[in-house]
Amino acid sequence: SAVISQKPSRDICQRGTSLTIQCQVDSQVTMMFWYRQQPGQSLTLIATANQGSEATYESGFVIDKFPISRPNLTFSTLTVSNMSPEDSSIYLCSVGLASEQYFGPGTRLTVT
Amino acid sequence: AQTVTQSQPEMSVQEAETVTLSCTYDTSESNYYLFWYKQPPSRQMILVIRQEAYKQQNATENRFSVNFQKAAKSFSLKISDSQLGDTAMYFCAFMNRGGADGLTFGKGTHLIIQP
Repeated sequence: SAVISQKPSRDICQRGTSLTIQCQVDSQVTMMFWYRQQPGQSLTLIATANQGSEATYESGFVIDKFPISRPNLTFSTLTVSNMSPEDSSIYLCSVGLASEQYFGPGTRLTVT
Repeated sequence: AQTVTQSQPEMSVQEAETVTLSCTYDTSESNYYLFWYKQPPSRQMILVIRQEAYKQQNATENRFSVNFQKAAKSFSLKISDSQLGDTAMYFCAFMNRGGADGLTFGKGTHLIIQP
């Protein structure tokens, strides 16, 4: 298994600003993923972030809006840029290990 | 692309009863994994149970078991002797073998266990 932490756990931001969410894993992993969970909804994959390569974005998500860094095998960041109230969601990172995926505790973002 | 469908938005049962949550999926893959995740109000995603598609035997974890019907593309979760702590959102999820594409989730079922 893996222990995953995220910072911040929650934030309230003004529209037009950006927020960077950090994800730290207690072991080295190749595959990391970022998901969005809009209020009352299920989880949707934003992008896959593998170390040593560019992030791969799902349909409907673009790098300019959600830039991702993956500097090493234990860390990744997701930035939510030029925020609007529609970006209010829970953002979760996860890692793939041994045919399972483990999730961080999530970051609850509210945009006013 | 694969899809996952959970047709029960909400279910409510009495404590100690048995409850079954439904999930169907669609894929052209032959090797894959299916999962049930639990999300309590704390929002932490907790893996409940995993099924490998190439294994015919249904997975079991204590009070949780699945009924995996590969031909019918059905993957239901049975919770026996339900407890108040089982109250949560339950998500069914699909993952291709290898996991490089991440998880595809259903819309979830809100399970309420009544005292």
